[in-house]
Amino acid sequence: EVQLVESGGGLVQPGGSQRLSCSASGFDFSKNSMNWVRQAPGKGLEWISYISSGGSTIYYADSVKGRFTISRDNAKNSLFLQMSSLRAEDTAVYYCASLFSSEETAVYWGQGSLVTVSS
Amino acid sequence: DIQMTQSPSSLSAFVGDRVTITCRASQNIRSSLNWYQQKPGKAPKLLISDAFSLQSGVPSRFSGSGSGTDFTLTITSLQLEDFATFYCQQSYTAPPTFGQGTKLEIK
Repeated sequence: EVQLVESGGGLVQPGGSQRLSCSASGFDFSKNSMNWVRQAPGKGLEWISYISSGGSTIYYADSVKGRFTISRDNAKNSLFLQMSSLRAEDTAVYYCASLFSSEETAVYWGQGSLVTVSS
Repeated sequence: DIQMTQSPSSLSAFVGDRVTITCRASQNIRSSLNWYQQKPGKAPKLLISDAFSLQSGVPSRFSGSGSGTDFTLTITSLQLEDFATFYCQQSYTAPPTFGQGTKLEIK
């Protein structure tokens, strides 16, 4: 069974830092590019970061560039998002997701992890 | 980045109706388009990949069409469980991008 399980969410103060993790199982994680997608309360889906299968290509949305860092450990089937200088507007459910399908890859989503930025 | 424009942003319909949601890409994305359904408190669920490939277990009343820049998601004979928010996402090139969403409500 394919699983993506996010962890590390919670309440953090404005200006603080938080690290999200995503543990993958049931598929060949090392072949899939991965993404973080967030959804603020009552809002739509916002892609925020991409990392290629080997980790050599990384993209960020302008809203998080310079504050968030994506990384992965293929040996441990894990994806990470280091978030710093957090703002109230970063409050959202954060999903890890594989969003490109091919002969070797497929689309998968985690269940999401809520990050609340508030004093 | 490729911009995805989805319309309408909201839609009201009766059970049994046929509805169509459109998605337009800012450049040619061939057939590289995913459609998702999301219900409150849940992760998005992939309905259709590559513009028209229905995922396993998804009812045949859902269908996708289009290529290039213009795409549609059609739901025939709406059922109660279909009322949700729908998103398109281009999978042609990184970074992936989403439409703004279409909230389908019961009339």
